[in-house]
Formats: sequence, C-alpha cells, structure tokens
Amino acid sequence: DSGVTQTPKHLITATGQRVTLRCSPRSGDLSVYWYQQSLDQGLQFLIQYYNGEERAKGNILERFSAQQFPDLHSELNLSSLELGDSALYFCASSARGDTIYFGEGSWLTVV
Amino acid sequence: DQQVKQNSPSLSVQEGRISILNCDYTNSMFDYFLWYKKYPAEGPTFLISISSIKDKNEDGRFTVFLNKSAKHLSLHIVPSQPGDSAVYFCAATYSGAGSYQLTFGKGTKLSVIP
Repeated sequence: DSGVTQTPKHLITATGQRVTLRCSPRSGDLSVYWYQQSLDQGLQFLIQYYNGEERAKGNILERFSAQQFPDLHSELNLSSLELGDSALYFCASSARGDTIYFGEGSWLTVV
Repeated sequence: DQQVKQNSPSLSVQEGRISILNCDYTNSMFDYFLWYKKYPAEGPTFLISISSIKDKNEDGRFTVFLNKSAKHLSLHIVPSQPGDSAVYFCAATYSGAGSYQLTFGKGTKLSVIP
C-alpha cells in the first residue's frame, strides 16, 4: 500500500460526458501528479500540483483540468469524453526530495 | 518521439538466474533515472533509482547500471524469483524540472519461470 488513494477504481461512461477522478496523497506529501496510461502510449505525465498551485504541465488535453484543494487532495476533471480517453489514470504524490509513489489507478472506460 | 525506450516488450528467465532489463534514452538533459515494477491492477511501485553522478546503485537483489555516454541503463535482478514476474518501467527526469515529471518507457514484461 503506497498510501495514495484514488477513487473511483472503475468508471464506465458515455462519450460526451464529464467525470471527476479523486486522489488523496500520502500524509504530508505536498506534490500531486496525474499520469495517464493507455495501451499504446504507456505512462504519460499530465500535470503536477504543489501545495495547491499548478507546478508543471505535460501532455494534458484542454478538455482535462485538475486542481489541488487546501486539504491537499486533488481532482482530475475530464470533459467531452471521447473513446480515446479510455485509459488508466494514476495519481502519485511525493514529499520534497523524495521519490514519487503511485496510487492503484482509476480505470476509465468511455463507451 | 519516444525519449525513453524499452525495446524488449517481454523477457522470460528461469528462477535463480539473472534478469537484465534494458532502457535507452535520448534526452541528454535527463539526470535522474528510476525503475518501477507494476503488477496487474496495481499502481507502479518504486524499485530503485540512480543519479547521473553515479554509474551503479545496488539495493539487495536489484542493481541499476548507468552508461551515460551510451545513454543506456539496465536493471539486474539476481537471483530472479517468481514473485519478480511483473511489468518493469524505466523512467527518467531532470533536476531542472524541479519535480518528478517522469518520462516513462513502455515497459518490459518479465516472466520468471519456476
């Protein structure tokens, strides 16, 4: 158990819909990262938040957004969903100078 | 353009023998490298890392070697155990990023045969 909690574990939704994925980082970790794992692209960095502020952006689509709340949990919002958005979405967290630890992921299936 | 490449999608090794997983990178700015192990239905688990100021790092049965001139790193597992069967991801980042914006390879599935 990495200490990073993600909900929901599985989600099936229709194209055009919007979903929110939730992440609770390890206790005390200020940084939260979102990664997407699809079959053909592997694990790709989406976005990072540090103590509520956006720190870095990767290959995140404009239809996707994220935020980190004062209690340090984070949400990844995916809107206008397309079939190609079906993937495993991982949240990870880290403390300063430490490595990052991943949650178990949220499986999103768009039908 | 894939900046981190794991050219072997799969590898089979007999229990007790050495497993060698390889990784190549193209971005010269990468200066910190990590290996993660992933079981089905679980998140990636950190295994071992190496900074570019070193060429070797050991942790128990796991050793990572870095050849900066060849832009190549490898993970050695000795001796291999059936519980090591998983997908192994190589990842890289650079200290200028100021964070763990990891660039991952596509993974190598290791099967350790009893």
